[in-house]
Amino acid sequence: GQNIDQPTEMTATEGAIVQINCTYQTSGFNGLFWYQQHAGEAPTFLSYNVLDGLEEKGRFSSFLSRSKGYSYLLLKELQMKDSASYLCAVRDPYSSASKIIFGSGTRLSIRP
Amino acid sequence: GAVVSQHPSWVICKSGTSVKIECRSLDFQATTMFWYRQFPKQSLMLMATSNEGSKATYEQGVEKDKFLINHASLTLSTLTVTSAHPEDSSFYICSARDPGLVHNEQFFGPGTRLTVL
Repeated sequence: GQNIDQPTEMTATEGAIVQINCTYQTSGFNGLFWYQQHAGEAPTFLSYNVLDGLEEKGRFSSFLSRSKGYSYLLLKELQMKDSASYLCAVRDPYSSASKIIFGSGTRLSIRP
Repeated sequence: GAVVSQHPSWVICKSGTSVKIECRSLDFQATTMFWYRQFPKQSLMLMATSNEGSKATYEQGVEKDKFLINHASLTLSTLTVTSAHPEDSSFYICSARDPGLVHNEQFFGPGTRLTVL
């Protein structure tokens, strides 16, 4: 089975940097996703990592270490609109349909 | 990016009635769609994988006779909540996998908020 852990809540200041960690324990590995979800809305895709290292995309970066079962999402130059839940998810390596399993999500609050 | 629509965006119904939710991929063909349920302040829980032209695959603990899924075409999957009860009130979200993309990302519909009175 899969187990995904991430902090429940975080708070950060506008303009600052925040790192949201995610650890996973899976029987196999075939990719990790980060999604952003604003309250009452559907998740939107942020990033995908399947190899070790850092993927940068504008103000957002995502890092993966497969040997440690660890990923983080780094948000720079925080804006108030970044207040949202951030979901770490892993692809089920044994699913022919490529289903993904979500962690419980981290609710990020940005203060002025 | 790929667009997935859902209809209706919200629905209120009486206990015992059935509700149908549609999920459409608008600019790509999706042989596989997924149905999730999300309770307040909780994460998305996968209910079932919808496969075009074949039976859906349900996750453990999800009643297939209560949550009927039909994936009749490459752009449409429907979820019918049969004999809905107040405990079925939730946010239902579908997603579609774009097989044409390298990472097979899933794109989510806007969700349907179901309230059962």
